[in-house]
Amino acid sequence: EIVLTQSPGTLSLSPGERATLSCRASQSVTSNYLAWYQQKPGQAPRLLIHGASTRAAGIPDRFSGSGSGTDFTLIISTLEPEDFAVYYCHQYGSPIPWTFGQGTKVEIK
Amino acid sequence: QVQLVESGGGVVQPGGSLRLSCVASGFTFTNYGIHWVRQAPGKGLEWVAFVRFDGTTKYYADSVRDRFTISRDNSKNTVSLEMSSLRPEDTAVYFCAKGGFSGYDRAYFDYWGQGTLVTVSS
Repeated sequence: EIVLTQSPGTLSLSPGERATLSCRASQSVTSNYLAWYQQKPGQAPRLLIHGASTRAAGIPDRFSGSGSGTDFTLIISTLEPEDFAVYYCHQYGSPIPWTFGQGTKVEIK
Repeated sequence: QVQLVESGGGVVQPGGSLRLSCVASGFTFTNYGIHWVRQAPGKGLEWVAFVRFDGTTKYYADSVRDRFTISRDNSKNTVSLEMSSLRPEDTAVYFCAKGGFSGYDRAYFDYWGQGTLVTVSS
C-alpha cells in the first residue's frame, strides 16, 4: 500500500497570499497518477487536479499541481476567500488500494 | 449534468447490516467504474470499495473485506454496498464516486455524491 503524507497539517494564510501544499508518497506513484481534491465542511470532495498537473474542468488557473515519483505539490497562487478548505492528495495507480493523504487544512490567518 | 445520489444510511447496532445505494445519471453509466469512499466524523477520506464498469471485477479495502459487498445493476444505473457485521468504527459518511476514465480501473474520482451517514451504535 502506498502511504501518502501531506504537509503541513494546517496552513494559516491571508487572502491574496500563496499556498504551497506538499504530498509525499512512500513509494513511486505509477505514471504520476496523483490527484488533488478540495473539501469544504458538509460537502463532498471536488476534483482539482489529476495526473499530478492537469486541472480538472472548470478549475481556476490559480490552482496548479506539479511533481513526480514520490513528491508532489499543489500551489494556490493567490488565495481567494472561497479557497479556505481542506485539501487531499490521492494516488490511483498501482497497487490497490487507492489511498488518500490525511489532508491539509488551509485556514484564514 | 453528472449526478450521483446516495441513500440508505441510518443508525444500526453493532453486528447489524445495512444496504447503501448510489443512483447515477448524466453519463454513460455502463462505461465507468464506481467507488465507495467513507469519511469518519472529523477525519480524512478512506477508500472502501470499487466495482468495474461491467461488474466483473471488485476490489475492497482490507478494513471491510469479507464484511462489505459491492455490486452494480447497469439496467438501473445503480451501485449498491451491502454492509454486514458492522462495527462502531464503520461510522462515517459514505460517498459514491465515479471513475474518471472510461473503461479503465485506475482513475481519479471526477464526480462525487453528497454522501449518506451511517452510524453504528448501540
